Amino acid sequence: GDSVTQMEGPVTLSEEAFLTINCTYTATGYPSLFWYVQYPGEGLQLLLKATKADDKGSNKGFEATYRKETTSFHLEKGSVQVSDSAVYFCALRGTDSWGKLQFGAGTQVVVTP
Amino acid sequence: DTGVSQDPRHKITKRGQNVTFRCDPISEHNRLYWYRQTLGQGPEFLTYFQNEAQLEKSRLLSDRFSAERPKGSFSTLEIQRTEQGDSAMYLCASSFPEGDATDTQYFGPGTRLTVL
Repeated sequence: GDSVTQMEGPVTLSEEAFLTINCTYTATGYPSLFWYVQYPGEGLQLLLKATKADDKGSNKGFEATYRKETTSFHLEKGSVQVSDSAVYFCALRGTDSWGKLQFGAGTQVVVTP
Repeated sequence: DTGVSQDPRHKITKRGQNVTFRCDPISEHNRLYWYRQTLGQGPEFLTYFQNEAQLEKSRLLSDRFSAERPKGSFSTLEIQRTEQGDSAMYLCASSFPEGDATDTQYFGPGTRLTVL
């Protein structure tokens, strides 16, 4: 079945550092890929998405490119802020389901001043 | 606030009791989803409605679990004869079909269930 694997946290960074969170997936066909973020005390929010190979999703300075050849969707941000401290979830929706999102385990990011 | 709302936010119950959670989606959204999230893990899909029709159910949804969306608006998730393993955060999400057929799911704050 479909699955998502993302790097374990916590990832601890200083403000203005470069952030990468690795995400790889297993799925048949061409799934849609997502990054969700959960800030402390808040619900899950969609950060960005990509629906086909080579698409780049971007939002709030974060980017991720759908790489079919490496089955990856790594999240990057060039200069993090303390306010980016959160848990980040990579997710996919497979071609056999209109409803189900398959999530990774999440990666906690801690940004220190 | 017109986001997805869930009630209650917290529920503590004793093993063997029944519990029911409610989800109110964003008003124009015809799709509604339930997920379960345990500590340190990502959400796991439970079930999905389009309007009042339950279109997909996970194997995680044992016969002790039942979900309804009788009028295509709010939804309820009932757990009968709760077990300690049911302790988790129960998340609801809703969406409306978008042009690229990849609708964005908007999540509520969740209901945290603790089974003693």
